[in-house]
Amino acid sequence: NAGVTQTPKFRILKIGQSMTLQCTQDMNHNYMYWYRQDPGMGLKLIYYSVGAGITDKGEVPNGYNVSRSTTEDFPLRLELAAPSQTSVYFCASRSDGNQPQHFGDGTRLSIL
Amino acid sequence: EDKVVQSPLSLVVHEGDTVTLNCSYEVTNFRSLLWYKQEKKAPTFLFMLTSSGIEKKSGRLSSILDKKELFSILNITATQTGDSAIYLCAVEPHTGNQFYFGTGTSLTVIP
Repeated sequence: NAGVTQTPKFRILKIGQSMTLQCTQDMNHNYMYWYRQDPGMGLKLIYYSVGAGITDKGEVPNGYNVSRSTTEDFPLRLELAAPSQTSVYFCASRSDGNQPQHFGDGTRLSIL
Repeated sequence: EDKVVQSPLSLVVHEGDTVTLNCSYEVTNFRSLLWYKQEKKAPTFLFMLTSSGIEKKSGRLSSILDKKELFSILNITATQTGDSAIYLCAVEPHTGNQFYFGTGTSLTVIP
């Protein structure tokens, strides 16, 4: 009963490095989302996808890229890490527009 | 611009107290409002509200939506230390597939 799985759980990056945050779900959900959560702030949507091969920008997409080649996987890529990208990143999925989102446990990312 | 505002920002109560958390929104073409509980890790779903005036209830938690006045409340009765968490409100408009989250209410329940 895995649900939404995110890896890694923690990561420290140097400025300018790149990395991919992995997200996979085993519920056959069409909709997937990436959020970031900064201290004292709500979740901000980075990118979302309504199905394999389809992605769209959210509120704060700058500095990030995504792909959705399969229903299960929705990786988030940081190309040139900046200190402003230090945050906790959550991936979520849902089956359709009438259902709530299910969240992964998050990735805590620090960029120094 | 769509906006979701939660109040209070934080709250400290004693076990057994009843608390009311507020969520007001300004979202074009409203579709649904959701409440989540966030402890150390992932937000966990509590309620989804789409119709005005219909209370959703689960144990000691309940929630109601007022679409005319554009707000929702989350009530927790007979609070327990396990209720300590951040409670998040999110609103989804009909257009697009985006959710707009409030900043959350941090609830601390003291024994």
